[in-house]
Amino acid sequence: NAGVMQNPRHLVRRRGQEARLRCSPMKGHSHVYWYRQLPEEGLKFMVYLQKENIIDESGMPKERFSAEFPKEGPSILRIQQVVRGDSAAYFCASSPPSSSEAFFGQGTRLTVV
Amino acid sequence: TQLLEQSPQFLSIQEGENLTVYCNSSSVFSSLQWYRQEPGEGPVLLVTVVTGGEVKKLKRLTFQFGDARKDSSLHITAAQPGDTGLYLCAGARGGGYQKVTFGTGTKLQVIP
Repeated sequence: NAGVMQNPRHLVRRRGQEARLRCSPMKGHSHVYWYRQLPEEGLKFMVYLQKENIIDESGMPKERFSAEFPKEGPSILRIQQVVRGDSAAYFCASSPPSSSEAFFGQGTRLTVV
Repeated sequence: TQLLEQSPQFLSIQEGENLTVYCNSSSVFSSLQWYRQEPGEGPVLLVTVVTGGEVKKLKRLTFQFGDARKDSSLHITAAQPGDTGLYLCAGARGGGYQKVTFGTGTKLQVIP
């Protein structure tokens, strides 16, 4: 049973470009969570999705950031017109319904140059 | 926002020493989790504690949940270089994982 898969592991974008981060949850997990982590810091919640629904996006910046979890395929975190301050590690976690435990992917490290 | 404070923030010790990491909050949690994160990797769940006063052991690691379910500690006996990493506590308020709040983290370095 494969774990949570994130790709790419590393992503370099120039200022103003778009970044697309993908997350495939563990088999049987219908809930996906995205987190952002700056160096030497903890994880900051961004968004919680179920298949085809955004349940809680209270941690998402109001502009340039969006997320989706389509019926088929991975969850996507999209950052438009990236700025240097978007440079961070972005982690995805998945869980079964109503669980207080989740499993994390290895993350995507975004560097904006 | 329910804040989880971890202490110490950084810890560098020699192999073989013991250490304790603390996770404190003014809020009550339904459960509390501890993760270890190695450089370049995602957090890995070590343990979940649910009952106030609960103690769980994982080899040389001992986890305790406070009686009031507001705080927790992680004690490592005879630390080894493989214990090096970022230790994160995370408190759940029930109702699913989106309610989990992560602590500020403790970065541990064990020197051979």
